[in-house]
Amino acid sequence: GAVVSQHPSWVICKSGTSVKIECRSLDFQATTMFWYRQFPKQSLMLMATSNEGSKATYEQGVEKDKFLINHASLTLSTLTVTSAHPEDSSFYICSARTHRDSSWDSPLHFGNGTRLTVT
Amino acid sequence: AQSVAQPEDQVNVAEGNPLTVKCTYSVSGNPYLFWYVQYPNRGLQFLLKYITGDNLVKGSYGFEAEFNKSQTSFHLKKPSALVSDSALYFCAVRDSDSNYQLIWGAGTKLIIKP
Repeated sequence: GAVVSQHPSWVICKSGTSVKIECRSLDFQATTMFWYRQFPKQSLMLMATSNEGSKATYEQGVEKDKFLINHASLTLSTLTVTSAHPEDSSFYICSARTHRDSSWDSPLHFGNGTRLTVT
Repeated sequence: AQSVAQPEDQVNVAEGNPLTVKCTYSVSGNPYLFWYVQYPNRGLQFLLKYITGDNLVKGSYGFEAEFNKSQTSFHLKKPSALVSDSALYFCAVRDSDSNYQLIWGAGTKLIIKP
């Protein structure tokens, strides 16, 4: 159980275009979803936390107008990279937590990530 | 300040030998400690956690980790390494005094050679 599907797994886009990444919880309701960015050979950087039906909470230094996060349902959150530039190229990973996992000792369930390359 | 350190960027082990991936942490409250594994171009998978109780915790794929409060460490171990264990390993900690913020280590690349 607790499967998180992330799509697409990789995408190449031209500079200036927008890209949408989807994160779905397949067999549970994800009350909270997290979006991370991972640079090569580096750890995860939390970008934002989204709760279903409310605005995402962005970490310091993350441009909310550039990285649009929508969490309109309990099974879907999307990250849209607007007006992408080459420096936005990275590996983006979503993770989810259920209401049942609301205690802080519960592990996160991760998607397989999206490799974004902006040319 | 809260932090997690994985002092080794890479660990090389021969197949069949025991392996250790190190993790130390610094928090002000009680630590909730986690290990995750990441295979190439994939998301992270939960391996094991320490919350309270027995200092030695056992997890998935034969891995275990030992919580050492005096040394503020939570090293990941496996008695006999497999080539398939080659991956990137992340240690993470939640701090009960910091609104349970999840803090990630930088990751350690584990390479198991046949």
